[in-house]
Amino acid sequence: RKEVEQDPGPFNVPEGATVAFNCTYSNSASQSFFWYRQDCRKEPKLLMSVYSSGNEDGRFTAQLNRASQYISLLIRDSKLSDSATYLCVVNNQAGTALIFGKGTTLSVSS
Amino acid sequence: GAVVSQHPSRVICKSGTSVKIECRSLDFQATTMFWYRQFPKQSLMLMATSNEGSKATYEQGVEKDKFLINHASLTLSTLTVTSAHPEDSSFYICSARDLTSGVNEQFFGPGTRLTVL
Repeated sequence: RKEVEQDPGPFNVPEGATVAFNCTYSNSASQSFFWYRQDCRKEPKLLMSVYSSGNEDGRFTAQLNRASQYISLLIRDSKLSDSATYLCVVNNQAGTALIFGKGTTLSVSS
Repeated sequence: GAVVSQHPSRVICKSGTSVKIECRSLDFQATTMFWYRQFPKQSLMLMATSNEGSKATYEQGVEKDKFLINHASLTLSTLTVTSAHPEDSSFYICSARDLTSGVNEQFFGPGTRLTVL
């Protein structure tokens, strides 16, 4: 089983749509969880950390289910500028480095 | 957030040559730096973890004699790809973290795109 698994997509949605991405991770000892955004041929940028109680940042909502080792990201009212690859990220066993999923590609069209 | 720079942003070299990539933390001291590699349509793969003043820790399958890492100061780490081969062509990204700050975030450099002919 891969350490971090994501549906690669692509997800093609119209502006204003709500879209959800899912991710599973294999290491039950992971303590830190993140969603990163990566634009084409650029470095990844932190979108938001994911907390056990779930957290929201504007149009973005992240949820964590430790029992199922499952992380989600919900984007409401999609904008054209949301088009990117969204990377699910967890920390490694030592808690120092990050393990990245392959990413889920989102394309928002007008 | 903190700023991490990489140089060069793009490099093209011939097979057999060595290429050095620099990663600098510009406004904080990076006690730990990480080197990742990303092939097209693949995830970022951690290559090695570099702690200032000590030897780097390499991930399984990464040849330490081929990918030389030096982290001589708290603001600079270098990755040297020795005897480059076309299969080494990839996007190399560094990230930096200040473990003393209590902030659990890594800051990424803009990446270096290496093409080996």
